[in-house]
Amino acid sequence: QSALTQPASVSGSPGQSVTIPCTGTSNDIGSVHNSVSWYQQYPGQAPRLILFDVDIRPSGVSARFSGSKSVNTASLTISDLQAADEADYYCCSFTRIVLFGGGTKVTVL
Amino acid sequence: QVVLMQSGPEVKEPGASVKISCQVSDDTFFKSYMTWVRQAPGQGLEWMGWISPKNGDRNFAPRVQDRVSLTTDTYTKTVYMELRDLRYNDTAVYYCARGTRLSWLGPWGPGTLVTVSS
Repeated sequence: QSALTQPASVSGSPGQSVTIPCTGTSNDIGSVHNSVSWYQQYPGQAPRLILFDVDIRPSGVSARFSGSKSVNTASLTISDLQAADEADYYCCSFTRIVLFGGGTKVTVL
Repeated sequence: QVVLMQSGPEVKEPGASVKISCQVSDDTFFKSYMTWVRQAPGQGLEWMGWISPKNGDRNFAPRVQDRVSLTTDTYTKTVYMELRDLRYNDTAVYYCARGTRLSWLGPWGPGTLVTVSS
């Protein structure tokens, strides 16, 4: 199976919203047995879970992060963009097979 | 709060094997799908495989399934990942992560740098 498809980069000004799409297939993102999660990674650090089961935030994650899914595409939206949001973001489809997106670098202008 | 601790950096020659460890600080180890993910320099995340310490069930990415082994030590709550026949493009940071319900990964270990060099 191929990796999930994400844009290489997105950017926005402070206070704006940005959305990162993650496109897969009916065998992964679009499967009823699938779970979508999102991870934030700063340079030199391990990834950190920010959303699971499409749109659930773990304790301690800002409400500015939200998720959605439609057919074979999942999306992460960052609202009220802040300088601290500048990082790489990865989507993940998790069944018995784990697939990651290629990662999206978010730049705050 | 559960913590994952990984072994230190490794330097290996091509063709050699490497075995790295990941110790979990609490008993959630037994309910988890302990997962290994690697990241080559400047690249994205690549799943390698997972193992269930509870029943030994495991699954591997097709790209590495012929060269990777996952084992557990239930007494020390440690999972081991061995990668054989190392190649230059195996140079990467290797992360372990606790998988829940085959659904999501968290927390993650700090990573172990494996460098393949002659």
